[in-house]
Amino acid sequence: GENVEQHPSTLSVQEGDSAVIKCTYSDSASNYFPWYKQELGKRPQLIIDIRSNVGEKKDQRIAVTLNKTAKHFSLHITETQPEDSAVYFCAAMETSYDKVIFGPGTSLSVIP
Amino acid sequence: EPEVTQTPSHQVTQMGQEVILRCVPISNHLYFYWYRQILGQKVEFLVSFYNNEISEKSEIFDDQFSVERPDGSNFTLKIRSTKLEDSAMYFCASSTPSDRTNTGELFFGEGSRLTVL
Repeated sequence: GENVEQHPSTLSVQEGDSAVIKCTYSDSASNYFPWYKQELGKRPQLIIDIRSNVGEKKDQRIAVTLNKTAKHFSLHITETQPEDSAVYFCAAMETSYDKVIFGPGTSLSVIP
Repeated sequence: EPEVTQTPSHQVTQMGQEVILRCVPISNHLYFYWYRQILGQKVEFLVSFYNNEISEKSEIFDDQFSVERPDGSNFTLKIRSTKLEDSAMYFCASSTPSDRTNTGELFFGEGSRLTVL
């Protein structure tokens, strides 16, 4: 089955700097790669996603890149703000929609 | 905006007791899921449900677990005989509207925190 790895497990940046989180997946059949943000005690919330027919997607300060050949994808947050502090999960889903498998998470701290 | 709703928000139970967690997925979604998150850890897939039957389940989803869609709206997770290690946040999610636009995006409920004593 699908296995998703994520690095780093913790990341601390100064406000205004960029943050990059990297993920790899194992199943070449996966074709949908969402990123979720989870604040303490809350549910995961989708922040951006990418499908395997595109290599990059951007939404304001957030961008995701996908390299299907290497089976890795990354989240880039520019001009970080304290409210970006949260745990970020990458995930991968197979075509069948049967399951979305999450990475172990990255705890991001943005220092004012 | 439609939301996935879950009840109860928190349940405390004794080891060995049965627990039922309830979810109302978004009404026109086709896929339903249960995930588990032990405090401070990753979001773990338990089971997916499509067309009134289980389509995938993980190793965690053993014989102690079962899911049902007893009517057109509710989706339940039953744990038959709870163990201490079942203590976690259980998230229900649904995805994929019936017109199959924007497939795959999971909409999570707020979670049910289960504490087993």
